[in-house]
Amino acid sequence: GEDVEQSLFLSVREGDSSVINCTYTDSSSTYLYWYKQEPGAGLQLLTYIFSNMDMKQDQRLTVLLNKKDKHLSLRIADTQTGDSAIYFCAETYSGGGADGLTFGKGTHLIIQP
Amino acid sequence: DTAVSQTPKYLVTQMGNDKSIKCEQNLGHDTMYWYKQDSKKFLKIMFSYNNKELIINETVPNRFSPKSPDKAHLNLHINSLELGDSAVYFCASSQQRAGGLFFGEGSRLTVL
Repeated sequence: GEDVEQSLFLSVREGDSSVINCTYTDSSSTYLYWYKQEPGAGLQLLTYIFSNMDMKQDQRLTVLLNKKDKHLSLRIADTQTGDSAIYFCAETYSGGGADGLTFGKGTHLIIQP
Repeated sequence: DTAVSQTPKYLVTQMGNDKSIKCEQNLGHDTMYWYKQDSKKFLKIMFSYNNKELIINETVPNRFSPKSPDKAHLNLHINSLELGDSAVYFCASSQQRAGGLFFGEGSRLTVL
């Protein structure tokens, strides 16, 4: 079955860039997502990328996809204290349809002052 | 005008009780889901409903029963609650195309 792997923790200094990595095993994955979960809150869709793309940029967020290595990354430029959260990588082959998304275990982003 | 709303946000109950969590979406989406997030923050899909038909049931115990009175609502009923049912339950919805899932704020269930 599908598997999505992430490191559990990442610590960065405020103002630095954060890079959160994710690997997946399902070669038929066509859509890949990044979600953010702040304490006590639901999951917020940050961005997504289609498998025929290599990169997507949205303000401080840059998503890189290496389909050959099945590796996805999320770069957050100029990391702020408000970026402190759990970041989930997710994948699906049906575009978020009836099969839902398979999530990684989440990366806790810790911001140091 | 919350897109996906769940009630209650918190639920504390005794083992053996029966409880329900309600979910409503006003996005006009075709598919709704229930996810369970455990104490380690791991997310697992429980059910999805597409046009009132159950699509997925990921080996969830039959004490859990989803009920969808219409396309905008998906409720989760749990019978004979057990300690291991303590978790945060998230409702979500999506359309049949890329765009991802939209989640509610979660319902934290604590079974004593």
